[in-house]
Amino acid sequence: EVQLVESGGGLVQPGRSLRLSCAASGFSFDDFAMHWVRQAPGKGPEWVSGISWNSGRIDYVDSVKGRFTISRDNAKNSLYLQMNSLRAEDTALYYCARDGWKEYGRDPFDMWGQGTMVTVSS
Amino acid sequence: SYVLTQPPSVSVAPGKTARITCGRNNIGSKSVHWYQQKPGQAPVLVIYYDSDRPSGIPERFSGSNSGNTATLTISRVEAGDEADYFCQVWDTSSDNPYVFGTGTKVTVL
Repeated sequence: EVQLVESGGGLVQPGRSLRLSCAASGFSFDDFAMHWVRQAPGKGPEWVSGISWNSGRIDYVDSVKGRFTISRDNAKNSLYLQMNSLRAEDTALYYCARDGWKEYGRDPFDMWGQGTMVTVSS
Repeated sequence: SYVLTQPPSVSVAPGKTARITCGRNNIGSKSVHWYQQKPGQAPVLVIYYDSDRPSGIPERFSGSNSGNTATLTISRVEAGDEADYFCQVWDTSSDNPYVFGTGTKVTVL
């Protein structure tokens, strides 16, 4: 079965860290760029970060630059998001999403995981 | 800031046609993708590159894009189509290159 399964979310205090993971199965993971997209409660999706198939290109939304780090391990079919210096406004459901191609850009997010919830609160 | 404007809600009777718009100046020059999100579930791609349909998506779903408006059309609406729908474009001139629309809640009467 083709699927993405996220893990690692939870309740964390402001300023602390979390590491999200996304396990891919059922497809050739290294044939696709991957993304993290988050959705705050009652809001629309917001792209957070993307990584090309070979990690040669990485980008972030401005609000997380310098705090979040995306990475992937193609041998383990896994995507990661290291989240440091967390803020209340980072509270959201974090989705792992597959790009339509090896490099990202105008292609859609053609597959999404079920998400892992991150709550930043004291 | 970069905004893709969608109507907050659309109501439609079963068997009728729902049209959801996504507006921005000259959106016709961009490739638009559409996602369906049912309560408590992840988004699902229903239309990509303005009018292409992924495998498994019913032919009842179609899309168009011209001028300042992209449109997702759902024909012969069914109860199972009730969901939130988001348009999305990629535009590097925006603060966030992946821009999502404001979202439309489709209610089947």
